[in-house]
Amino acid sequence: GNSVTQMEGPVTLSEEAFLTINCTYTATGYPSLFWYVQYPGEGLQLLLKATKADDKGSNKGFEATYRKETTSFHLEKGSVQVSDSAVYFCAPRYNNNDMRFGAGTRLTVKP
Amino acid sequence: DVKVTQSSRYLVKRTGEKVFLECVQDMDHENMFWYRQDPGLGLRLIYFSYDVKMKEKGDIPEGYSVSREKKERFSLILESASTNQTSMYLCASSITRQNTGELFFGEGSRLTVL
Repeated sequence: GNSVTQMEGPVTLSEEAFLTINCTYTATGYPSLFWYVQYPGEGLQLLLKATKADDKGSNKGFEATYRKETTSFHLEKGSVQVSDSAVYFCAPRYNNNDMRFGAGTRLTVKP
Repeated sequence: DVKVTQSSRYLVKRTGEKVFLECVQDMDHENMFWYRQDPGLGLRLIYFSYDVKMKEKGDIPEGYSVSREKKERFSLILESASTNQTSMYLCASSITRQNTGELFFGEGSRLTVL
């Protein structure tokens, strides 16, 4: 079946460091790709998305590019802040009822 | 803004009890979902509904049932709660029947079964 693999955490960075969280997915069909973020005590909220090859999703300084050739959708941010501390989930959506979530990567940013 | 509201943030139940988790969305979305979130496992789909009275099993439906009598409301039912159902439960909804739309999530219901 369809699946997604993302970088295991936890990840601890200093403020203003560069962040990469890797994500790869199975290439069945042509999924749309999403990154969700979960702040402590809250539900998941959409961070960014890309729906076709070579699209770049971006929001709040985060970016990810839909790479069909490598079936990847890595999340990056050039300079993290303490307020970015959260759990990040990569999620390909293959069809109406098949959205897969990675295990989540916990990011802690220290001042 | 889309709002997905889950009725209880925290519940504590005993083994064998019947548990109802309620979810309401206010944006007339066709699709509604129940997920379970466990550390290291991400989110796993329990049930999905694409219309009133319609439901489909997800990856882990055993021990759960659902009800969708009205478009805005999707209920998850644990007929006889067990300790291995202790988890965070997340409800979500989406407007589109294609795969390009995002899911909107509630804040979650953390269930502890003793």
